[in-house]
Amino acid sequence: GAVVSQHPSRVICKSGTSVKIECRSLDFQATTMFWYRQFPKQSLMLMATSNEGSKATYEQGVEKDKFLINHASLTLSTLTVTSAHPEDSSFYICSAREEEGGGNTIYFGEGSWLTVV
Amino acid sequence: ELKVEQNPLFLSMQEGKNYTIYCNYSTTSDRLYWYRQDPGKSLESLFVLLSNGAVKQEGRLMASLDTKARLSTLHITAAVHDLSATYFCAVDESSGDKLTFGTGTRLAVRP
Repeated sequence: GAVVSQHPSRVICKSGTSVKIECRSLDFQATTMFWYRQFPKQSLMLMATSNEGSKATYEQGVEKDKFLINHASLTLSTLTVTSAHPEDSSFYICSAREEEGGGNTIYFGEGSWLTVV
Repeated sequence: ELKVEQNPLFLSMQEGKNYTIYCNYSTTSDRLYWYRQDPGKSLESLFVLLSNGAVKQEGRLMASLDTKARLSTLHITAAVHDLSATYFCAVDESSGDKLTFGTGTRLAVRP
């Protein structure tokens, strides 16, 4: 079945540095992917919609200059957390739907744990 | 703004018992999803409900959707320990795959 993969699964970075998280659709093409953030014991909150070949659409309250999203191909979206701070430490999850064949299941990546020290 | 609420937030139940988790949402939607999340892990898709009256069952879990009442339920039958996890419902308001998640229900099944 369709699979969405994220890398890295865990990353620790120092305050002030940048970190990139990749989201790949492994066996299908996705013109749209989504990035969510989940703090411990909380629900998932949508950060932005990643659109292949165009600018991402950010949800209210999400800084586009801090969370850079690039969707350069139909199978890859990247999220770069710039000038990371400890409060950015969270679980970041991407999702995509296999559009071919009219599939209805939205698949989530394995998630990426970011710890900023 | 779409709001999605689940109750209860936490559920401790005995093995073998039945219980229902409720998911209410505030605006019209024809797509509702249920996911399971184990600690430290990502989301596992359980059900996709696409129309009013839709009912789907998988093992001890059964989900239903009432779009007129803006309510979905996840029913657990004869709970077993392996069902312990956090369950989320999520609503796709505009059929654009952008999901608004419920608050989550943390289920603990005890012997």
